[in-house]
Amino acid sequence: QSALTQPASVSGSPGQSITISCTGTNNDIGGYKYVSWYQQHPGKAPKLIIYEVTNRPSGVSNRFSGSKSGNTASLTISGLQSEDEADYHCSSYTSSSTHVIFGGGTKVTVL
Amino acid sequence: QVQLQESGPGLVKPSETLSLTCTVSGFSITNDYYWGWIRQPPGMGLEWIGSLHHSGSVYYNPSLKTRVAMSVDTSKNTFSLKLNSVTAADTAVYYCARDGGGTTVTTGNFDYWGQGTLVPVSS
Repeated sequence: QSALTQPASVSGSPGQSITISCTGTNNDIGGYKYVSWYQQHPGKAPKLIIYEVTNRPSGVSNRFSGSKSGNTASLTISGLQSEDEADYHCSSYTSSSTHVIFGGGTKVTVL
Repeated sequence: QVQLQESGPGLVKPSETLSLTCTVSGFSITNDYYWGWIRQPPGMGLEWIGSLHHSGSVYYNPSLKTRVAMSVDTSKNTFSLKLNSVTAADTAVYYCARDGGGTTVTTGNFDYWGQGTLVPVSS
């Protein structure tokens, strides 16, 4: 099964809001609540920042929020800060034999 | 505090078997969670390899299914990955992680990760 589709890059100025999309099908994003988002700084392991579409783990800034509409999930970062510059990956459960699929990742640049 | 740590050889030759172990501390591997392996080739995105439960339930990525095997050692609180017949395309950082989502199926909600280990495949 093909990976979920994310834009390769998104940029914004400090204080702005940006949104990263993650598009799948009704066999994954559109059909289930198990959509997650990960933040990954260079040379580091991914960090879970959103799970089950909208939930934030304890300790994650409320500037990060998740949503879903149809087959597309979105991650919004509000009040963009320099420390938000990182790669962001989405994932979803899928009813296909693949079970778990990731997006290709989006590089966020703070201008 | 849940902690995971990958260990294994730093270099694997083509056609040989890649073997990695993930040591879990601060949490029993026999609790009702799935445990997964994810890899990331240099400069590329994440790829799910597979997930297993201490009960024996296991899910593999179909693209790797014929070459991969995962197992758990409850006495050592570890789980392991074996990937055979490796090629240069298997060069990646390999991560182990806990799936904090479902208890009956792997969901991709990986809430705790190891630091990752780079495994080059080269002669």
